[in-house]
Amino acid sequence: AQSVTQPDIHITVSEGASLELRCNYSYGATPYLFWYVQSPGQGLQLLLKYFSGDTLVQGIKGFEAEFKRSQSSFNLRKPSVHWSDAAEYFCAVGAGSGGYNKLIFGAGTRLAVHP
Amino acid sequence: SAVISQKPSRDICQRGTSLTIQCQVDSQVTMMFWYRQQPGQSLTLIATANQGSEATYESGFVIDKFPISRPNLTFSTLTVSNMSPEDSSIYLCSVRLDRDTIYFGEGSWLTVV
Repeated sequence: AQSVTQPDIHITVSEGASLELRCNYSYGATPYLFWYVQSPGQGLQLLLKYFSGDTLVQGIKGFEAEFKRSQSSFNLRKPSVHWSDAAEYFCAVGAGSGGYNKLIFGAGTRLAVHP
Repeated sequence: SAVISQKPSRDICQRGTSLTIQCQVDSQVTMMFWYRQQPGQSLTLIATANQGSEATYESGFVIDKFPISRPNLTFSTLTVSNMSPEDSSIYLCSVRLDRDTIYFGEGSWLTVV
């Protein structure tokens, strides 16, 4: 069965420091992979997605993610974190027929940013 | 992208009552989804709602508890029936726009007392 693991429940970084959020997936075929962010009291916003092609994908707000098939990973990175990046981050894999028809989410990683 | 509007954005409900959440999209979409996010938890898919057919429910969710309507390509409703405090959650509507991406609404924050 498809699954997504985000090993880190909470991460705290200093403003200006680099960030890497880990995501591992379990999926039999070529995965459709996503990162979403949920700011406090808000819905989900898509940061980036990977379907195929270049394994390093660029997203909004300066985020990028790298797909590594050999490690079944899709880690999210940002070179310099801003205080406004404090939020909950969800990795998800698309599952089902027709490419994908639903998302399976990881448990999420809550990011805190120290000034 | 898509603009997805949900109503109500927040509500406090008495146990035993039912609440209907509306989801309006600014473009026609085939696939609409309803997710639940319990406090401090991740998102779980409740059901997929395609226009012109019955909703498809995920394991653990049943139509009697979460009836869904999908009268056209831009609108859907989710009803949470006979609510208990365990139903206190964020309910999110989402749509699949083209083959690429699933977008989410702002969510409906429901508290059952």
